[in-house]
Amino acid sequence: NAGVTQTPKFQVLKTGQSMTLQCAQDMNHNSMYWYRQDPGMGLRLIYYSASEGTTDKGEVPNGYNVSRLNKREFSLRLESAAPSQTSVYFCASMGGSYTGELFFGEGSRLTVL
Amino acid sequence: SQQGEEDPQALSIQEGENATMNCSYKTSINNLQWYRQNSGRGLVHLILIRSNEREKHSGRLRVTLDTSKKSSSLLITASRAADTASYFCATVPNSGYSTLTFGKGTMLLVSP
Repeated sequence: NAGVTQTPKFQVLKTGQSMTLQCAQDMNHNSMYWYRQDPGMGLRLIYYSASEGTTDKGEVPNGYNVSRLNKREFSLRLESAAPSQTSVYFCASMGGSYTGELFFGEGSRLTVL
Repeated sequence: SQQGEEDPQALSIQEGENATMNCSYKTSINNLQWYRQNSGRGLVHLILIRSNEREKHSGRLRVTLDTSKKSSSLLITASRAADTASYFCATVPNSGYSTLTFGKGTMLLVSP
């Protein structure tokens, strides 16, 4: 089982460029999440999708858009990257009740110059 | 905003010693979870404790929850070098559909 797969693992962008982070899970989970992790800040929720067809803003949604393409895939798009978006991005999924555990991908390390 | 806050921020111990990390939170919770993150990797779920539970064990891990003090502790007994990682607590609020909110983590270094 692959679990949660994120691509790319590393990316360097110039300010103003756009890109999409891809995430796919093979556990038939309903809920999927995008977090960012910055030094000293812990993990902060960007967007989440409680179920296929729905998306909602988290704590830090500005500058990002998401698409829940189907039950397996949840992508995060940066339309016009800024240096403040330099971070490590984690996708996660949760099955069953929303009060359960999260399964994380290995992260996508993004640098915006 | 961060719901959970871990203490200490960093902890350095020798192999064989016990490691204790604490987490405080602010609002009523459905459950509290602990995760581990090895350097450069994703987070891995360790243990979940529900609001009506006071203590839970899993192998060398012991978690306690005190809802009156809004705090939890994670004890790792007989630490090994392989336990070196960052540890995060995460809370699920007790109010409708919500999401996990993570603390800033405790960095644990276990020296051989």
